[in-house]
Amino acid sequence: GAGVSQSPSNKVTEKGKDVELRCDPISGHTALYWYRQSLGQGLEFLIYFQGNSAPDKSGLPSDRFSAERTGGSVSTLTIQRTQQEDSAVYLCASSLGESRTYFGPGTRLTVT
Amino acid sequence: GQQVMQIPQYQHVQEGEDFTTYCNSSTTLSNIQWYKQRPGGHPVFLIQLVKSGEVKKQKRLTFQFGEAKKNSSLHITATQTTDVGTYFCAGYGNKLVFGAGTILRVKS
Repeated sequence: GAGVSQSPSNKVTEKGKDVELRCDPISGHTALYWYRQSLGQGLEFLIYFQGNSAPDKSGLPSDRFSAERTGGSVSTLTIQRTQQEDSAVYLCASSLGESRTYFGPGTRLTVT
Repeated sequence: GQQVMQIPQYQHVQEGEDFTTYCNSSTTLSNIQWYKQRPGGHPVFLIQLVKSGEVKKQKRLTFQFGEAKKNSSLHITATQTTDVGTYFCAGYGNKLVFGAGTILRVKS
């Protein structure tokens, strides 16, 4: 596709369950970011993949969060044992190096 | 670690008034980017500044990058209701880090 896509668009899960969020970046983009945005808040950096380098995981809030990027393309963000404070919109973005960054539509996660 | 501070958090202006948001990085940046997010939407790229002291204009919007490449500003002249939204700066040091954003409301 022409843009960054994310799935699912909405996810409602029970506290304690695991969830997987998917991001399909723009083809050829070497950089991929995950951000989290709570209602009315800014963009909280989670993780950054750049080419074949080791990912920058410095923003992951706890060891319940992990992410991988397979084949330099699709990325999956996994949250284990979800908590209510994990409820937010999870945004994926991709770019070619340091150039402009394109955001996906986000996944709205609600933990009940 | 790399931090980007942005002020003000919130600005409510009368239509036709000017608006400015300021961004400051804890480290020297290779570039700074500006994004706009409408309510319910995702951030959309506005512009990228790369050179020290660079100034760019897009119609009523003026973007500046400081001489030390650590600060930036976005100025909107004569705001319109279509300008409402949240404006984010994002500094690229070794990765793209966003400021907290400035929410702009325009009263008509």
